[in-house]
Amino acid sequence: EAEVAQSPRYKITEKSQAVAFWCDPISGHATLYWYRQILGQGPELLVQFQDESVVDDSQLPKDRFSAERLKGVDSTLKIQPAELGDSAMYLCASSLSESENTEAFFGQGTRLTVV
Amino acid sequence: SQKIEQNSEALNIQEGKTATLTCNYTNYSPAYLQWYRQDPGRGPVFLLLIRENEKEKRKERLKVTFDTTLKQSLFHITASQPADSATYLCALDRASGTYKYIFGTGTRLKVLA
Repeated sequence: EAEVAQSPRYKITEKSQAVAFWCDPISGHATLYWYRQILGQGPELLVQFQDESVVDDSQLPKDRFSAERLKGVDSTLKIQPAELGDSAMYLCASSLSESENTEAFFGQGTRLTVV
Repeated sequence: SQKIEQNSEALNIQEGKTATLTCNYTNYSPAYLQWYRQDPGRGPVFLLLIRENEKEKRKERLKVTFDTTLKQSLFHITASQPADSATYLCALDRASGTYKYIFGTGTRLKVLA
């Protein structure tokens, strides 16, 4: 069964360091999302791509976060510099299209701890 | 601002009973609503989608209702099993142009054997 792949699964980094997460969506899925989930809360959308274009990054802290999906397939989310408050689960999801009646498939996530 | 509320208190029920989880929203009118299941340390898994013109949707032991007047969705698991223990998230679409779902905080369900 096709899955959304994310790496690494866990990452510990010191504050002020740079960190990057990678996501490979399900083949053929044009829409890709990055979410951040703080323990005990629901996922919060950071950025949404349609193919290689950013559709929505209104909630992305652009002073330190960046995301790219250069060829419209896999994607990288970067944080530089990391802050203590960035500790969270970073989830990648993909869907066949950006239609509202389409389910999103989530990866296992990357658990980030900033020390 | 748009707000989604799910009961943050954990719900404990006995095996075999029906679990009912609530999702309330304010300040907007979504056209679609989804329910997801999330196990600890894992990403959410899609369960059901219901449209605003559908009052009820069923899938095996799951039932979802969508009351646009009350601005509420109820999620039922009948004949609950310990394996149903997880956090359940509701997600509502923004219905404002760009497709975007906003998630609630989730309700943790524990089914006791």
